[in-house]
Amino acid sequence: GAGVSQSPSNKVTEKGKDVELRCDPISGHTALYWYRQSLGQGLEFLIYFQGNSAPDKSGLPSDRFSAERTGGSVSTLTIQRTQQEDSAVYLCASSFVRLAGGTSSYNEQFFGPGTRLTVL
Amino acid sequence: AQTVTQSQPEMSVQEAETVTLSCTYDTSENNYYLFWYKQPPSRQMILVIRQEAYKQQNATENRFSVNFQKAAKSFSLKISDSQLGDTAMYFCAFMKRGPGGADGLTFGKGTHLIIQP
Repeated sequence: GAGVSQSPSNKVTEKGKDVELRCDPISGHTALYWYRQSLGQGLEFLIYFQGNSAPDKSGLPSDRFSAERTGGSVSTLTIQRTQQEDSAVYLCASSFVRLAGGTSSYNEQFFGPGTRLTVL
Repeated sequence: AQTVTQSQPEMSVQEAETVTLSCTYDTSENNYYLFWYKQPPSRQMILVIRQEAYKQQNATENRFSVNFQKAAKSFSLKISDSQLGDTAMYFCAFMKRGPGGADGLTFGKGTHLIIQP
């Protein structure tokens, strides 16, 4: 079965340009996550979508970062006016979340291969 | 907020040896999960093992086992009979267990494990 896919695998851009990164989650997965992996900061949580609920944007580093999830499936992470410190690998993950009766169950996050962003 | 600390940036052992990777965490939560992820050079994050905080029994998955000490907030990973394919970055991660069952992961900085032939 298909896993989480991300495109492009590598992106080189010039400082000040906008970039869009795409994530295709595993079919049927209701939750989608974006993380950033950089040498200086390690792995950081950015944003989380669950179904049609408002996303948890608590990890977004600045207002230049935004993300959308259309139709509860594909997600795009947009970085406006890119800066050199935005250079990193951006990882997407998805999981299946069942919301019922106030009980929670473990939901493994499956990761994509990431997009390496280089800002010159 | 949670923090996860991995104090060993790099470790190197001979093939077939046993190696233990350390992880400590800090949280005020009582219900949570802990994970070890492996990231080989391909960048693909792979779940190695998980532990629910409410379970006292340490999780095991074939050659991988954990030593979970909840009071000490410690969660180490033991790899037995290490193999060349175990060479990778290993990340310890924390996830709060909420009513929605889903939350962002908080990761440690990672340990680069090298298995020497």
